[in-house]
Amino acid sequence: GESVGLHLPTLSVQEGDNSIINCAYSNSASDYFIWYKQESGKGPQFIIDIRSNMDKRQGQRVTVLLNKTVKHLSLQIAATQPGDSAVYFCAENNAGNMLTFGGGTRLMVKP
Amino acid sequence: EPEVTQTPSHQVTQMGQEVILRCVPISNHLYFYWYRQILGQKVEFLVSFYNNEISEKSEIFDDQFSVERPDGSNFTLKIRSTKLEDSAMYFCAGRLAMNTGELFFGEGSRLTVL
Repeated sequence: GESVGLHLPTLSVQEGDNSIINCAYSNSASDYFIWYKQESGKGPQFIIDIRSNMDKRQGQRVTVLLNKTVKHLSLQIAATQPGDSAVYFCAENNAGNMLTFGGGTRLMVKP
Repeated sequence: EPEVTQTPSHQVTQMGQEVILRCVPISNHLYFYWYRQILGQKVEFLVSFYNNEISEKSEIFDDQFSVERPDGSNFTLKIRSTKLEDSAMYFCAGRLAMNTGELFFGEGSRLTVL
């Protein structure tokens, strides 16, 4: 069936290092992906999105890469800061009105 | 900055009781959603709402659930007869347009069913 999932439940990085969070999807027809950040006790917050006609998209300190061949996307955070500590979800915008979230990766930033 | 507000922030109820969770979306948003998140798990889609109608719903959103937009601003989720497994964080979200994946989420309502 269609699914969006994550490889690692927890990622621990040193402050200042780059972080890479991965996500796999199974529906080859998926054409729009979004990354969300969820801080403790809060709702998910939009970070960046990418459509399937792109391989890469950059934001402020974040980059999303999409590899349609292997149905994989990643979120790269440059110079990770303590404020980046959160759970990160990839999400897929299905045909229609529904956003489906993956399982989440907890990013822990060590000082 | 406009935000989505949800009430109550935490509700404790007995199994079998009715619960209404309330949301005030951002005023110019057109599409509205309820999601739930069981502690430590992923965010699960419940229902989407557009033009005063349900547009999509998940398997979770059974006959015990209903949504309303009674007055053009509030957006409510009702659970008629709560079960233990309904204990979760419930998030309301809104979206301005269909061509963006940017949903604006509220801070959630934690429901604890005893």
